[in-house]
Amino acid sequence: DAGVTQSPTHLIKTRGQHVTLRCSPISGHKSVSWYQQVLGQGPQFIFQYYEKEERGRGNFPDRFSARQFPNYSSELNVNALLLGDSALYLCASSVNRDQPQHFGDGTRLSIL
Amino acid sequence: GQSLEQPSEVTAVEGAIVQINCTYQTSGFYGLSWYQQHDGGAPTFLSYNALDGLEETGRFSSFLSRSDSYGYLLLQELQMKDSASYFCAVRDKAAGNKLTFGGGTRVLVKP
Repeated sequence: DAGVTQSPTHLIKTRGQHVTLRCSPISGHKSVSWYQQVLGQGPQFIFQYYEKEERGRGNFPDRFSARQFPNYSSELNVNALLLGDSALYLCASSVNRDQPQHFGDGTRLSIL
Repeated sequence: GQSLEQPSEVTAVEGAIVQINCTYQTSGFYGLSWYQQHDGGAPTFLSYNALDGLEETGRFSSFLSRSDSYGYLLLQELQMKDSASYFCAVRDKAAGNKLTFGGGTRVLVKP
């Protein structure tokens, strides 16, 4: 069975641009969460979606937004990119909000 | 808010046993998870404890004491491939069941 898939795997952007990251959850998983991981630190929670509704939001500015589609895939959008947004962006899915989360390989975003 | 503390680094030899401790503070504790992450890779789910006690999965075991806000991950019969970062993470029901991660423990296994 396919795991959580994320695209693209790597991305290079410049300051001020916007970016869209995509995530397909494991089949049958209805909950998707997004995390940001800076080198040397643990992942930081950005958003959680369940049944296409936002169920949680971390301490990130409004430049960060996300949505979940009817097929449970999800997009993370970041506007007005800053150098500090350079990180590994991880998507995790779970059957529901009570079950363990399983992570994709992430999108490595570099801002120049 | 939530916070977790775990040691930053542990070094051991092949075949040894390593225990990674995790203490946490959270307002809405729902469970403690452990993840393994190799350099350049994604976090891989290892175990989840919602109730007090020991959970065993092969060479890895995880323990939770909710009264002490404490848990640990036990790695037995260490192998070179176990060299990785290990994260504890608490599930916070008060905030949409998000995971709050510790800073990670880097385990280095030597021959």
